[in-house]
Parts: sequence; C-alpha cells; structure tokens
Amino acid sequence: EDKVVQSPLSLVVHEGDTVTLNCSYEVTNFRSLLWYKQEKKAPTFLFMLTSSGIEKKSGRLSSILDKKELFSILNITATQTGDSAIYLCAVSEGGNEKLTFGTGTRLTIIP
Amino acid sequence: SAVISQKPSRDICQRGTSLTIQCQVDSQVTMMFWYRQQPGQSLTLIATANQGSEATYESGFVIDKFPISRPNLTFSTLTVSNMSPEDSSIYLCSVEPWTVPNEQFFGPGTRLTVL
Repeated sequence: EDKVVQSPLSLVVHEGDTVTLNCSYEVTNFRSLLWYKQEKKAPTFLFMLTSSGIEKKSGRLSSILDKKELFSILNITATQTGDSAIYLCAVSEGGNEKLTFGTGTRLTIIP
Repeated sequence: SAVISQKPSRDICQRGTSLTIQCQVDSQVTMMFWYRQQPGQSLTLIATANQGSEATYESGFVIDKFPISRPNLTFSTLTVSNMSPEDSSIYLCSVEPWTVPNEQFFGPGTRLTVL
C-alpha cells in the first residue's frame, strides 16, 4: 500500500528560527512530490518536485527531493508568525495522477 | 494555476438529507478530483471526476453515497447522500490544469457539519 509519512507531527518554534520538515514515501510508480500549506480549508500549492537533487526555492521556503532515499525536506528560514499552518506532503503516481497525502506537520511560530 | 470556486463554502445539514457541492474552474482542465478531510485528519481522495463518463472511486467510497457529475471540462459536482454525523468534513475539489501538468490546485473547500 502506498504510504507517505511526515515528521514531526507538530513543531513549535520562535519567530526567526529555521525549520526543516520531513516527508518520506513508498509508492509503486512515483511521478512527483508536492508540498502544500494549509491554513484554513484549502491547501495552497508550494512546490512540485520530480527530479532528485534539484532544489526548488521561493523566498524563505525551499525544498529538495532525494529519489534514492525516498524522502523530501521543506526548509523555512527566518520564520514569521504567518508561516504558522499545517504543511502537507503528497505523492503523485504515474498513470492516474491521484495524490496520496501524509498526515501533515502542524507548525506554530511564537512571536 | 487555475481559479477554482466551490459552493457552498459551508453548510449545516440534518442527518438523512443530501447536499450537492459545486466546483467551477476558470479554464479547461484535464483532471478533477474530490477529496475529504475529516476533523484532525489529512486529505483522502474520494474519486476522480471523469468528463463524459462515470467517476472513478477509491476504495471505501461508492457511487450511491457520493454521486459525482462532470458535464464539461470546467465543472463538477459532488453529492453527499443520506448524510450522517460521520460525514462532517471539509470537502475539496482539486484540478490539474493542462498548462501545468503534475501540479494540482485546490478549491477553497466546503465545510460540512451534519447534526
């Protein structure tokens, strides 16, 4: 059965800290890995990774994929209170495009 | 990306009734999906909405409980039938646009509470 595991489940840090969120996966026909930020209802797309070792970056957020070790990390530097959210990792398989989600990491930034 | 709207944004319903949720996209998309997020849980795929044919349901979800329509490339509906309190969830549609394959974008979601 396909599986996506995120760690930690929750994380509380002070504003300005740097955080690293982890996502490991087991799928039979990997196509891509996606990161989302969920603050209220709708997940907001952050990154999509398909190639190993290539970092995607957007402002203070960055992510990288390791297809050999089957994991990805999401880094957030100089955290702000607006970064408080649940961060979801999802893996897409070739052939059906459906996403399998991890349980998410709840990140709380203390001012 | 694509601009996605969902209606209603929230509803409170009585058990035994049905609710139809609409998802509208501002451009034609290849794939449309319906997800459920139960309280404190992650997202679970209900089904893939196929244009012009029956939806493809995931294990644990059936057409009688969650009928889906997709009459064209920009619109889909999900009905939650014969509701019970266990159906209280956020229901989300997502799309994979032609212009950005492999990327899925989510609608704003419908928060359903069943009493």
